[in-house]
Amino acid sequence: DTAVSQTPKYLVTQMGNDKSIKCEQNLGHDTMYWYKQDSKKFLKIMFSYNNKELIINETVPNRFSPKSPDKAHLNLHINSLELGDSAVYFCASSHGDRSYEQYFGPGTRLTVT
Amino acid sequence: QKEVEQDPGPLSVPEGAIVSLNCTYSNSAFQYFMWYRQYSRKGPELLMYTYSSGNKEDGRFTAQVDKSSKYISLFIRDSQPSDSATYLCAMGEIQGAQKLVFGQGTRLTINP
Repeated sequence: DTAVSQTPKYLVTQMGNDKSIKCEQNLGHDTMYWYKQDSKKFLKIMFSYNNKELIINETVPNRFSPKSPDKAHLNLHINSLELGDSAVYFCASSHGDRSYEQYFGPGTRLTVT
Repeated sequence: QKEVEQDPGPLSVPEGAIVSLNCTYSNSAFQYFMWYRQYSRKGPELLMYTYSSGNKEDGRFTAQVDKSSKYISLFIRDSQPSDSATYLCAMGEIQGAQKLVFGQGTRLTINP
């Protein structure tokens, strides 16, 4: 009965590699988000999709590419990983008109060596 | 200056104490004010939200917003060890799909 799920939970990889993180929600929400939380716990929005349409695209390197195949899924692909990409990545979802009430996934802890 | 400032703590109090957590902000367009709780190695979960100024109470938790001072607070009464977590304030400008701006989070420990 998981509401927002992410895979994988942990990801350890080397610089230069390409990796993907997957997110799925079963809450019937129409808006999904990707956040990055750094080592100091700052949680910062990266992208947001509403009904599969990109609506928020913060200043993120174009090595990061989100993809939303349908309303329930939002994936994040990262090319040419760098040390600074090490962080916890959270997926979240909400109803579009209640974005103050976001439901977060458990996070994916990415370590780039 | 960051858009939202929050003291990262850590804050450690004895069980039963009243806890006060605060955030200040600089963007006067913020209308929605939220408090999220994040347990270790988990995702944040919404605790309370307030629209515009005023107070909101939910059990042992009270959220206050003072837009004139650009200052928001979360009070926890009769604090319990299970309240030990990181508390993040978050703010948004409009109701619809929007960007939320989060504070750094305050790490709180309630000692039995």
